[in-house]
Amino acid sequence: EVQLVESGGGLVQPGGSLRLSCAASGFTFSSYWMSWVRQAPGKGLEWVANIKQDGSEKYYVDSVKGRFTISRDNAKNSLYLQMNSLRAEDTAVYYCARVGGSYPTFDYWGQGTLVTVSS
Amino acid sequence: DIQMTQSPSSLSASVGDRVTITCRASQGISNSLAWYQQKPGKAPKLLLYAASRLESGVPSRFSGSGSGTDYTLTISSLQPEDFATYYCQQYYSTPWYTFGQGTKLEIK
Repeated sequence: EVQLVESGGGLVQPGGSLRLSCAASGFTFSSYWMSWVRQAPGKGLEWVANIKQDGSEKYYVDSVKGRFTISRDNAKNSLYLQMNSLRAEDTAVYYCARVGGSYPTFDYWGQGTLVTVSS
Repeated sequence: DIQMTQSPSSLSASVGDRVTITCRASQGISNSLAWYQQKPGKAPKLLLYAASRLESGVPSRFSGSGSGTDYTLTISSLQPEDFATYYCQQYYSTPWYTFGQGTKLEIK
């Protein structure tokens, strides 16, 4: 059974940093692109970042470029999101999602971790 | 950037009704479209991909169609468990993705 379990969310002040983690199991983690998708309270879904199987390619939504860094450790079956210079508008539930092998959809999702940026 | 616009933003319907949700892309996306269902407090769930292909385990009352810039999600006979928010997502511009703003389906 595919499982994605996020952790690391919490309350952080504007300008602060936070590192999210996603532990994957039930599939060959190193064979899939992985993504982070976020959802602000009461709002819709927003794709945040993608990383290729070997970590050699990374892509970001414009609003987080230069502030967020996606990474992975295939030996630990783990995905990460380092978030720096956090702003109030980054407040959201952050989901880890697997990108499907045949079609680049988000076929499995974690339960999400809440990040709140507030003073 | 490809923008995705869903309509309506919200919809009230009754059990047994047939409902249709529309998603329009700002440019042609060659059927590179997925639909997701999200219930309150839960992660989204993939329903369809490639505009019309049903994800494994998804009931056949869900269907998708469309081409070019215009796509639809149809639920043929609403069941109580179908009341949720639905999102379209384009992956034509992979590895950059965009979602529609969502359609909240409520019980009338």
